[in-house]
Amino acid sequence: GAVVSQHPSRVICKSGTSVKIECRSLDFQATTMFWYRQFPKQSLMLMATSNEGSKATYEQGVEKDKFLINHASLTLSTLTVTSAHPEDSSFYICSAFPLPDRGLEAFFGQGTRLTVV
Amino acid sequence: AQTVTQSQPEMSVQEAETVTLSCTYDTSENNYYLFWYKQPPSRQMILVIRQEAYKQQNATENRFSVNFQKAAKSFSLKISDSQLGDTAMYFCAFMRSSGTYKYIFGTGTRLKVLA
Repeated sequence: GAVVSQHPSRVICKSGTSVKIECRSLDFQATTMFWYRQFPKQSLMLMATSNEGSKATYEQGVEKDKFLINHASLTLSTLTVTSAHPEDSSFYICSAFPLPDRGLEAFFGQGTRLTVV
Repeated sequence: AQTVTQSQPEMSVQEAETVTLSCTYDTSENNYYLFWYKQPPSRQMILVIRQEAYKQQNATENRFSVNFQKAAKSFSLKISDSQLGDTAMYFCAFMRSSGTYKYIFGTGTRLKVLA
């Protein structure tokens, strides 16, 4: 099956700094990728839809200036958590669909555990 | 707006037994897709099974099968011959057949298979 690689898998950063998370589709192109946040023992909450070559679409309540998304190529989307605070500590997951067949499964990255100290 | 509900936060089953996880959803769409994803302790999301709403036949994948009741908006997952490796969080998900490829996830069911 298709592979989505997310990097890093774990990151610890100091409060006030920024951290970048990468999501790559290794063997397919993806014009759209999705970023989720998952709190412990909870479901995946969609944060934003990353669109190649255009601005990301953010879900209600998600601060676009804090969670910067860049989708500069058909295989790479990045999520930058700016001025991170301890409450941003969470598990972040990206996903992508191999196009053009709608209804195929979404492939997920392995996730990034962010800890802000 | 679509919603997905999983009413069983936690379940357990003896190894080799059968267990059914429930999922209901609400939508005004006629065509859509439904999925069950598994998230083991590694937290990697893995597709278990998917169902196209226009298909009346229930999907099956080896030990996994669904009971899709479109009128009742119900989509349950049956796991037969449960194995220890089935221990995981299971999420039901809905996706419209038009517009964005956005998944709407249920709250999840934590399944523990007991030896």
